[in-house]
Amino acid sequence: EVLLLESGGGLTQPGGSLRLSCVGSGFTFSSHAMGWVRQSPGRGLEWVSVKSPSGGLTKYADSVKGRFTISRDNSKNTVYLQMDSLRVEDTAVYYCVKGPTLFDFDYWGQGTLVSVSS
Amino acid sequence: QPVLTQSPSASASLGASVNLTCTLSSGHSSYAIAWHQQQPEKGPRYLMQVHSDGSHIKGDGIPDRFSGSSSGADRYLSISSLQSEDEADYYCQTWGTRAVFGGGTQLTVL
Repeated sequence: EVLLLESGGGLTQPGGSLRLSCVGSGFTFSSHAMGWVRQSPGRGLEWVSVKSPSGGLTKYADSVKGRFTISRDNSKNTVYLQMDSLRVEDTAVYYCVKGPTLFDFDYWGQGTLVSVSS
Repeated sequence: QPVLTQSPSASASLGASVNLTCTLSSGHSSYAIAWHQQQPEKGPRYLMQVHSDGSHIKGDGIPDRFSGSSSGADRYLSISSLQSEDEADYYCQTWGTRAVFGGGTQLTVL
């Protein structure tokens, strides 16, 4: 069974930082693209970032480019999202996603809540 | 980049069938899309990928009641024999140089 387990969410002030983690199991982690999608309270889904299986290709949404950094450690079956210079509008549930390809997501985690507020 | 348009809401009776539509923007009618379901208070779940030729590839464990089809720039998600647990938000998604989501359709089962 494929499982994606996120952690690292919490409350922080504007300008602060958080690092999210997502551990994958039930599949060959190093063979799949991994990424993040977020959902602001009461809103729809917004793609955030994705990294290729080997880590050589990375993409970001314009709204987070230059502030967020995605990385992965295939030896630990883990993908990370380092979020710096956080803004109130970054408040959302962040979902880890697995892809058979870079932008096609076939499994989702349960999400971790990030709240940015003063 | 493609843009996806979905009706904000839809409704159908228990046991009936419903078709949800996702429309690709002009110039992108050949794109495949994916459908995702989000039940209340849960994370999304991948349902299927639908291609421009109408073929679809379902995710693991998705019931036969769910199917996909295509016509021009429209991509459809059909649900038959509606059950109460089908009441959810349904999002379509596609990709070019980045992933794009539609605004979602809230399905109410009456």
